[in-house]
Formats: sequence, structure tokens, C-alpha cells
Amino acid sequence: GAGVSQSPSNKVTEKGKDVELRCDPISGHTALYWYRQSLGQGLEFLIYFQGNSAPDKSGLPSDRFSAERTGGSVSTLTIQRTQQEDSAVYLCASSSVRDRGRSEQFFGPGTRLTVL
Amino acid sequence: KQEVTQIPAALSVPEGENLVLNCSFTDSAIYNLQWFRQDPGKGLTSLLLIQSSQREQTSGRLNASLDKSSGRSTLYIAASQPGDSATYLCAVKGMTGANSKLTFGKGITLSVRP
Repeated sequence: GAGVSQSPSNKVTEKGKDVELRCDPISGHTALYWYRQSLGQGLEFLIYFQGNSAPDKSGLPSDRFSAERTGGSVSTLTIQRTQQEDSAVYLCASSSVRDRGRSEQFFGPGTRLTVL
Repeated sequence: KQEVTQIPAALSVPEGENLVLNCSFTDSAIYNLQWFRQDPGKGLTSLLLIQSSQREQTSGRLNASLDKSSGRSTLYIAASQPGDSATYLCAVKGMTGANSKLTFGKGITLSVRP
């Protein structure tokens, strides 16, 4: 079966440009997460979507970062006016949140963003 | 604030050795703990998930244990193979707050020498 997919796999951009990263969760998964993995920083939570509830944006590092989830499925993470410190691997995960104790998060392959 | 620690950051062992990877966390109010494997340049592969009510989970040569009260988990790898070389991350899902985010350790990079 299809897992979580992300596109593009690699993105190189110039400082100041906007970028959009896409995540396709596993079909039927109502919860979707974005994480960022930077060298030396480990994996950091960015944003969480659950069904039609308001997203938890508590992990977004600045107002240049935003995300949306259309139709409860595909999500787009947008970074405006990119900075070099935004360079990282952006990972998306989804889970079926029926029972919080059992819900396993499944990760996509990530998008490697390089800001020159 | 939940903090997850994995020490050491790197480990090198000869093939065939049994080994234990450690993970500790500061807040015992968790729903579950997950162990992941990450190969260079790749995403995360879930290895084992232990619910807060469980003590251990097994999958093939892997066994993960959880001692929630002391804030510790171990991942035991039996008869290690060169193909086990990767970074192993543990992550906990906390009960505090509305979301179900995972808090990750920084990982242990394992190298199994032939």
C-alpha cells in the first residue's frame, strides 16, 4: 500500500524566495504532522493537523512559515522569504488517531531544502 | 517541557554482537514511545511502538522495553549485522497539551563492522 509521499525530494532555492513543500498522507489518516530535521538540532515539531480542528502551530519557528491542509488530505508547508537557517530536511508524518496510545506515526521520505 | 536523551551519539560494534541502545525522557506522562531507524538521506522507518501500559515489544531481532516511571527505554538488537548500520531514534508522544506530537532524541548512529 502507499505510504506517506512528499515532493519535491530536493529543493534548492535562493535566499529570499518562497518555497512550497507538499505532503500526501496515508489514505484515511486524519492526523498529519510536519517536522524539521536540521544538522545538530535533531527532529523538531512544526505543526499538527487533526481532522477539521484548528491546527496546532506551536512549533512554527517564525511567521514566515505557514501550512494548510486541503480537504483533510494533502498538506502544503510554505516558507516565505527563505533564509539560510531554513536549510533542513522537512518531514511529514500521518497517523490514524482513534486511540492515542496506539497511534503510530508513519513518516514520508522528506524534502531536503537548501537555501543558498 | 519533555526532553529525550540518547547516549552515546555514536556506537561501533563488530558483526554478531548483541547490543543495547538507551533512551531516557524527563516527563513520564506519555501515551507511547516509538523507536525509528533512519538511513542516510532517507526518512524514518518505524521499528517498534510501545504503549504506556506495556513493558516491551518484540519484532524479529529487535526488542524494546519501557520503564515509564524511571523515564527509560532500551532497544535491544540481537546478533547485529552490517545491514543494521543506521541512526536509531526514539521518540515519545506526550500527554501534555492538545496535540499528539512526538518529541525526539537526537539519535544514536550505529555502525556494525563486518
